[in-house]
Amino acid sequence: DQQVKQNSPSLSVQEGRISILNCDYTNSMFDYFLWYKKYPAEGPTFLISISSIKDKNEDGRFTVFLNKSAKHLSLHIVPSQPGDSAVYFCAAPYNQGGKLIFGQGTELSVKP
Amino acid sequence: NAGVMQNPRHLVRRRGQEARLRCSPMKGHSHVYWYRQLPEEGLKFMVYLQKENIIDESGMPKERFSAEFPKEGPSILRIQQVVRGDSAAYFCASSPGAGDYNEQFFGPGTRLTVL
Repeated sequence: DQQVKQNSPSLSVQEGRISILNCDYTNSMFDYFLWYKKYPAEGPTFLISISSIKDKNEDGRFTVFLNKSAKHLSLHIVPSQPGDSAVYFCAAPYNQGGKLIFGQGTELSVKP
Repeated sequence: NAGVMQNPRHLVRRRGQEARLRCSPMKGHSHVYWYRQLPEEGLKFMVYLQKENIIDESGMPKERFSAEFPKEGPSILRIQQVVRGDSAAYFCASSPGAGDYNEQFFGPGTRLTVL
């Protein structure tokens, strides 16, 4: 039962353009979402989060949008840079236990 | 200001051997989580521990896998009688407390290869 889904395994974008990574979820009880970035041979690093009481959260070049009615969130990176090339995971905490449910990840490639 | 530390970074075992993976949380963090990433998949939760207590082991396979977080020392994920399907990257994360809004900090992972 994949409660958090990232349906695009990969995305290729030109440097300077916008990258949009999508994530869908099925559990309406999720009320907080996180995006993690992962380089090869490293652990995931926290990027940005959003609470369900908001529909947008912005941090520099990174903005996350949440559409609760559609159970959909997206991460926008603008302008994209080659150093942004990594695998991006969206995740949601399950209940109050701190356990994170991860999507399958989207591999972003930003070409110079 | 050390982050989450995991060792070994790479571990090779033959089928039937035991694998022990260690995780030292960030300073001041008392909550540890273990996740597994199989090839071409996302991270899957395995177990959540506080000092000397297992809080949630709903993601742990029923057999051969165990975890502990003793009062002193690192958290240990133990896999007995490893099989080829156990080959994966195992990540440990820590947080200062429980709850939805505590960011989890991840270690670099241990890549287990079972021959």
